[in-house]
Amino acid sequence: IAGITQAPTSQILAAGRRMTLRCTQDMRHNAMYWYRQDLGLGLRLIHYSNTAGTTGKGEVPDGYSVSRANTDDFPLTLASAVPSQTSVYFCASSPGFSYNEQFFGPGTRLTVL
Amino acid sequence: GQNIDQPTEMTATEGAIVQINCTYQTSGFNGLFWYQQHAGEAPTFLSYNVLDGLEEKGRFSSFLSRSKGYSYLLLKELQMKDSASYLCAVRDKDYKLSFGAGTTVTVRA
Repeated sequence: IAGITQAPTSQILAAGRRMTLRCTQDMRHNAMYWYRQDLGLGLRLIHYSNTAGTTGKGEVPDGYSVSRANTDDFPLTLASAVPSQTSVYFCASSPGFSYNEQFFGPGTRLTVL
Repeated sequence: GQNIDQPTEMTATEGAIVQINCTYQTSGFNGLFWYQQHAGEAPTFLSYNVLDGLEEKGRFSSFLSRSKGYSYLLLKELQMKDSASYLCAVRDKDYKLSFGAGTTVTVRA
């Protein structure tokens, strides 16, 4: 059982380029989340999805978009990357939105130059 | 929104006890969580408190006082593998988590 996977592991991207970070889980969890983690700021919620077909905005959604076409996949897209989006991105999932534990993927380290 | 404060760093000796404090201000409290994150890895769930009092789970315990907006994570019988960052998180009435910046605990032999 893989749990939750993210791709790529790391990426260096030129400013202005479009980038999609992939997240897949095989636990049949309904809820999925995207966070970014920056030194001194902790994890911040970007977007979330309660169930397939629905998405919502978190604390820092600007510059990012998500889709939830099915239960397993929750890609995060940066339409036009900027250096301030340099961060470590974590995808997480939970059986339901009110479930206590969230399960995190291994993260994607993104550098925008 | 949430305002979550925890110390940046703590150092302790193997076998000792360390207490990590977390204070928060929130507009709608719906639970407090602690996660552990080893360097370069994903966070993993440690504990959950929604009512006042102490929750014990092996060597780790978590305490909550809702009236004071205060929680602590107690790590007993410290082991080298406990060297990690410990993240305090508060859930709001919309079930969204807000995390503190984390406390890096270094365990020395």
